[in-house]
Amino acid sequence: DGGITQSPKYLFRKEGQNVTLSCEQNLNHDAMYWYRQDPGQGLRLIYYSQIVNDFQKGDIAEGYSVSREKKESFPLTVTSAQKNPTAFYLCASSMGWDTGELFFGEGSRLTVL
Amino acid sequence: GESVGLHLPTLSVQEGDNSIINCAYSNSASDYFIWYKQESGKGPQFIIDIRSNMDKRQGQRVTVLLNKTVKHLSLQIAATQPGDSAVYFCAERGNSGYSTLTFGKGTMLLVSP
Repeated sequence: DGGITQSPKYLFRKEGQNVTLSCEQNLNHDAMYWYRQDPGQGLRLIYYSQIVNDFQKGDIAEGYSVSREKKESFPLTVTSAQKNPTAFYLCASSMGWDTGELFFGEGSRLTVL
Repeated sequence: GESVGLHLPTLSVQEGDNSIINCAYSNSASDYFIWYKQESGKGPQFIIDIRSNMDKRQGQRVTVLLNKTVKHLSLQIAATQPGDSAVYFCAERGNSGYSTLTFGKGTMLLVSP
């Protein structure tokens, strides 16, 4: 089945450690996104990529980094510079830039101990 | 599941009732609006979208209404079912070339049998 796969589903990290969240899609979508979700909040955009080898900062990019070396993959690294990294992270993709129909993965829950 | 529903406005309805979920958007320049549904522990799912040149759009059991004068969007769900229980987000997108989606904080819909 086509879809978005995020891993791991749950991740624990010690303060000061970097961690990378995986996002893979087999929908042949050009655009991919990373969102952060905190309890009682909407989704906030971290980074997005409209095409391979290109990405832009979203609203809350500080302390995060991404790469887009392959069309199907868009990993997110949460660095030690992110001051409050405990959150639910959602990856999404869309066919193109014009559509608002994003396809989301099931999320990765990161907890900093 | 994920505690995305903490401190959210909540709408409680009986099975079979019609539900109306409201959203006030912030950007008068937004020209595209989308509703998403997020079940506990999952990523959001696209429900329906509407462009600013329309004031109503219908899908299967759902209707979205757009009132640009007061910057208000609503999602009507007919004959609500227990499976409709979820958090519902509205999202808007500005009309500049590379605007991204801005999500609202969400409304939790609880459907009791």
